[in-house]
Amino acid sequence: DAGVIQSPRHEVTEMGQEVTLRCKPISGHNSLFWYRQTMMRGLELLIYFNNNVPIDDSGMPEDRFSAKMPNASFSTLKIQPSEPRDSAVYFCASRSATGPGEAFFGQGTRLTVV
Amino acid sequence: AQSVTQLGSHVSVSEGALVLLRCNYSSSVPPYLFWYVQYPNQGLQLLLKYTSAATLVKGINGFEAEFKKSETSFHLTKPSAHMSDAAEYFCAVSDRGSSYKLIFGSGTRLLVRP
Repeated sequence: DAGVIQSPRHEVTEMGQEVTLRCKPISGHNSLFWYRQTMMRGLELLIYFNNNVPIDDSGMPEDRFSAKMPNASFSTLKIQPSEPRDSAVYFCASRSATGPGEAFFGQGTRLTVV
Repeated sequence: AQSVTQLGSHVSVSEGALVLLRCNYSSSVPPYLFWYVQYPNQGLQLLLKYTSAATLVKGINGFEAEFKKSETSFHLTKPSAHMSDAAEYFCAVSDRGSSYKLIFGSGTRLLVRP
């Protein structure tokens, strides 16, 4: 298996633009997590899905952020409109929802909003 | 709500010295516990996990952690630090219920001096 795949690896965009981050989880995993990492706030859980259903989105900072998981093999995190304070590394992770399995992380998307 | 605390944002040791990174969780019911490592510009990688079998858990790269229920702790140790151990280390906790929400501590950056 290729692991969790995130795209793009780097994204530079102007303030006010829409940004879409993509994630392909490991096949067979039915839990998917989106995290944001910054120096100031560390690793924050934004939202997670079980069996494609959002379970907890309490970490999503504002209505500008939205996440979808239309099927078991794909998820998106969208920011519209983007702001400079959204600059961070965004990680996607997947995990089997049966038992205490580890979460596998993607390489992350480094987002810079100028 | 479940939470995890890592004492010390930075720990510095000499090469060959003992490594001790501290982690405490807040839960009356022992959760699943994990230690992850993050090297620069990479995603997180699992070092080891506790799932209720042996309280002393051995992981990769010579690391181990001991679960102590009385102290609600899961500290990470390594007898002899190597330069390649320099990285950021995260403790994570997951409830044993159906949600499997995975929450991370703030991280500890390990510096290894020659």
